[in-house]
Amino acid sequence: EVQLVESGGGLVQPGGSLRLSCAASGFTVSSNYMSWVRQAPGKGLEWVSVIYSGGSTYYADSVKGRFTISRDNSKNTLYLQMNSLRAEDTAVYYCARAADGYNYLDYWGQGTLVTVSS
Amino acid sequence: SYVLTQPPSVSVAPGQTARITCGGNNIGSKSVHWYQQKPGQAPVLVVYDDSDRPSGIPERFSGSNSGNTATLTISRVEAGDEADYYCQVWDSSSDHRGVFGGGTKLTVL
Repeated sequence: EVQLVESGGGLVQPGGSLRLSCAASGFTVSSNYMSWVRQAPGKGLEWVSVIYSGGSTYYADSVKGRFTISRDNSKNTLYLQMNSLRAEDTAVYYCARAADGYNYLDYWGQGTLVTVSS
Repeated sequence: SYVLTQPPSVSVAPGQTARITCGGNNIGSKSVHWYQQKPGQAPVLVVYDDSDRPSGIPERFSGSNSGNTATLTISRVEAGDEADYYCQVWDSSSDHRGVFGGGTKLTVL
């Protein structure tokens, strides 16, 4: 059974950093496209970042230069390092899988809440 | 950057057909995917590649895509279909990025 479990969310001050984790089971992270998608309170979905099976990474303009997506193949885990956090980064962050070569997100985690506030 | 436009809300009576549109420049040339999200839950894929359904999704959910508009159609709407629906495409024209529509709240009257 495919499962994605996010962790690492919490309250952080503006300008601070946080690292989110997404532990996967039932499939191999490095063989798929893995994305982070966020949802601000009461708002819609916003795509944040993707890492392809080959290792290429891409980001939304809103986070480029501040966020870094990565994976640990030995732990079958996806990460999102978030630096220079702003109030507008406050959101539930979901990790999601797209099968290799496809661009629809067929499995999602339950999400982790990040709150940026002083 | 590529923009997807959805109506904020659609209302339909039980048993009727709901149609949720997703507009984008020449969207017919792209693969469109649809997600259902109920309050407090993660999104669920309900239609992919314009008109295919993942296993476990009822046949009542269908999709089409042509020209500048993609459409999610829900036949014989049930109370349990009340949710937010989002369309999504992959924009690889200039950079590789996912694009979501703003979402449509489906209300079952």
